[in-house]
Amino acid sequence: SSELTQDPALSVALGQTVRITCQGDSLRHYFASWYQQKPGQAPVLVISGNNKRPSGIPDRFSGSTSRNPASLTITGAQAEDEADYFCNSRDSGGNFVVFGGGTKVTVL
Amino acid sequence: QVQLKQWGAGLLKPSETLSLTCAVYSGSFSGYRWSWIRQPPGKGLEWIGEINYGGRTNYNPFLKSRLIISVDTSKNQFSLSLRSVTAADTAVYFCARDVDGDYVFDFWGQGTLVIVSS
Repeated sequence: SSELTQDPALSVALGQTVRITCQGDSLRHYFASWYQQKPGQAPVLVISGNNKRPSGIPDRFSGSTSRNPASLTITGAQAEDEADYFCNSRDSGGNFVVFGGGTKVTVL
Repeated sequence: QVQLKQWGAGLLKPSETLSLTCAVYSGSFSGYRWSWIRQPPGKGLEWIGEINYGGRTNYNPFLKSRLIISVDTSKNQFSLSLRSVTAADTAVYFCARDVDGDYVFDFWGQGTLVIVSS
């Protein structure tokens, strides 16, 4: 079972804002990172710990300053943002990796 | 641009050993940790384990008893071996780079679907 909890699904109107949250005890101590995954593809890092956005990721993706819950915000969602989004961090003991169950974002 | 390319058998019978290899191109191999991550069909991601350049490993405790991750520094490759597979091991397996040692995965392999079926 996952130590990080995400809403299973969210929807957002085209051009509007959606906030995806990730909650877990380990986030009191460790940053979350966020990945976008489209069907049949490998995940893509969109926000790394402490809200860093990798090169090539649009600035409509942003992370929260709050650690628990952590959140990923898409401001002005585009059709191509429709995907599954996963958070990850360390487990409560700090020794291993845990992923959230994922949030399926639908752009209407 | 760093590239991870992975390969291995895609169809196994129960009790067999899953073996996958991931090669790293166009980037430093020595300065990072390298992980295996899997995703059962229609489900979320599960971290399997990691290895560094020196061969130090860290495994998911739920898989540790069946798992070996090894590294071949001469080829910039690392490998996964998971023995005694069952249908529950059916998944897409990914290799990935941990960019900062804090479990942030910035480059991923293309994924390999492994099906365990009798």
